[in-house]
Amino acid sequence: QKEVEQNSGPLSVPEGAIASLNCTYSDRGSQSFFWYRQYSGKSPELIMSIYSNGDKEDGRFTAQLNKASQYVSLLIRDSQPSDSATYLCAPRGSSASKIIFGSGTRLSIRP
Amino acid sequence: NAGVTQTPKFQVLKTGQSMTLQCAQDMNHNSMYWYRQDPGMGLRLIYYSASEGTTDKGEVPNGYNVSRLNKREFSLRLESAAPSQTSVYFCASWKGQGDEKLFFGSGTQLSVL
Repeated sequence: QKEVEQNSGPLSVPEGAIASLNCTYSDRGSQSFFWYRQYSGKSPELIMSIYSNGDKEDGRFTAQLNKASQYVSLLIRDSQPSDSATYLCAPRGSSASKIIFGSGTRLSIRP
Repeated sequence: NAGVTQTPKFQVLKTGQSMTLQCAQDMNHNSMYWYRQDPGMGLRLIYYSASEGTTDKGEVPNGYNVSRLNKREFSLRLESAAPSQTSVYFCASWKGQGDEKLFFGSGTQLSVL
């Protein structure tokens, strides 16, 4: 079992709709969870972090965390063409300094 | 503020050649990382250094060595390059507490022929 799993996509969503990205992790000691966005040919950039069970909203983005199910998700409301990118999940595990990423989900927003 | 600086940006090697990728950060961060990213894939951790003087293996350490020269610098060495090491390499740093954000360099595109 991989430490962090994501659907590779591509996930195609019409403009204005909600995009839902999922991530599962194996380390039950993980306390912090991060979503990075990466445009083609660019470095990843942090868009959301979440530490507690439940939802956290920031503008059009909502992160959802369920530690019991070892599951974290990212919802993007009112999807825009500029949201087309690869989204990487990165839980921070028991070894706090060892940061492992999921394989990423490629999201495409179609006009 | 330069952040994380990687050199070189591009490199072409022949199989069996060696080279060192350089990374430096000016944010006084404790932890530094080397990742590789193959086309259409996520980031895979090669090695990391939680603090000055320590290094640890990540997910894919074979064929690589690292040196945490000081708090600022973390280098990645390929002793005998192989075509399977063709990839984009990213260096990153993290303060180690408080601010959880990873800061990334701009990447090195490495091709091994």
